[in-house]
Amino acid sequence: SQQGEEDPQALSIQEGENATMNCSYKTSINNLQWYRQNSGRGLVHLILIRSNEREKHSGRLRVTLDTSKKSSSLLITASRAADTASYFCATDPTDSWGKFQFGAGTQVVVTP
Amino acid sequence: DAEITQSPRHKITETGRQVTLACHQTWNHNNMFWYRQDLGHGLRLIHYSYGVQDTNKGEVSDGYSVSRSNTEDLPLTLESAASSQTSVYFCASMSTNTGELFFGEGSRLTVL
Repeated sequence: SQQGEEDPQALSIQEGENATMNCSYKTSINNLQWYRQNSGRGLVHLILIRSNEREKHSGRLRVTLDTSKKSSSLLITASRAADTASYFCATDPTDSWGKFQFGAGTQVVVTP
Repeated sequence: DAEITQSPRHKITETGRQVTLACHQTWNHNNMFWYRQDLGHGLRLIHYSYGVQDTNKGEVSDGYSVSRSNTEDLPLTLESAASSQTSVYFCASMSTNTGELFFGEGSRLTVL
């Protein structure tokens, strides 16, 4: 079963706009991570937020975590064509360390 | 630079044949994972290992096996390939310092 569920499934925006995607999960977690996957490639780690953190920034990325609602959001500001990719959240459950659960992903298309 | 490599990148095989997908990492990570990626399912965990001689079943382990004889390698074997095992397979290793997963580029397997 999938622990993380991303929303929306697909997102189309223009360069310069912000992209926001959400992730919901079901059980207690140690941390939540976001990954990017370009077409035909492996996943690349973007950012990790621990269960005791509420917000984290990395460059143009902003991640929030609400453990009471079991949800997270990823914001990409001032998007670029190179941000076109699929984005996945992954949760590290507290009852099974290291057994990450991935959602189905959000496909983001940024048009020039 | 440390890396994680998978081979072959593409393979076509017939139903009933045994297939082995190789995964080799030079990060010196103890934790290694095999996932399969199918449309609409995100990544699903097949098998994982926390160190040499340690192997564990994931959520979709039926028909697959792994072995861990050294730190660097975690080969995935399909004992008798089935059409339902047509998928893209990803190997990953995890840094215990950061909790971050490092992925290979994937192996696309087609079972005819």
